[in-house]
Amino acid sequence: EDQVTQSPEALRLQEGESSSLNCSYTVSGLRGLFWYRQDPGKGPEFLFTLYSAGEEKEKERLKATLTKKESFLHITAPKPEDSATYLCAVPGSGGSNYKLTFGKGTLLTVNP
Amino acid sequence: DAGVIQSPRHEVTEMGQEVTLRCKPISGHNSLFWYRQTMMRGLELLIYFNNNVPIDDSGMPEDRFSAKMPNASFSTLKIQPSEPRDSAVYFCASSLSRGSETQYFGPGTRLLVL
Repeated sequence: EDQVTQSPEALRLQEGESSSLNCSYTVSGLRGLFWYRQDPGKGPEFLFTLYSAGEEKEKERLKATLTKKESFLHITAPKPEDSATYLCAVPGSGGSNYKLTFGKGTLLTVNP
Repeated sequence: DAGVIQSPRHEVTEMGQEVTLRCKPISGHNSLFWYRQTMMRGLELLIYFNNNVPIDDSGMPEDRFSAKMPNASFSTLKIQPSEPRDSAVYFCASSLSRGSETQYFGPGTRLLVL
């Protein structure tokens, strides 16, 4: 069974203080990895899809990277508006590749 | 473009009552998903439709839960009878096609069963 673990559970940063969130997974064969952002009271908002080890994607202050065992979401010079819960997910194998297994998320708080 | 639309946004009901949640997927998307989110278990897939046909309902917790998709632009998730442990946030998501395409989520329905 696929497992996704995110760390830390919560992270508090000062505005401008760069850091990274971790998503580690145990899957039978990597079929991609998704990152979502979720604001309180809202649905998850798609950020990135990574498909192969070594791949990187960027959006504003966020950069996602992928290795064979984990993914990192790097946040550079964060702003208060980056505060949210960040979720990662991996698709199932074979005919179940529609089935996303989500981590519990990292709650990021950026203080001004 | 309109995203996934869900209604109601909030629902408070008493134990034993029937609850119906509604979803309109993004136009042109062929796959639709219902999820439940709780603090303890996180996001869990309840049921998956492709081209209006239920493909995987293994996540539906009990027979009290049922879902339908009568056409490409509408789906319902029904709980009958509801119980306090059903209290959660229910999300609908849609994707362009079958497979590991990106899933786009609606705003959710926050359900409280008293």
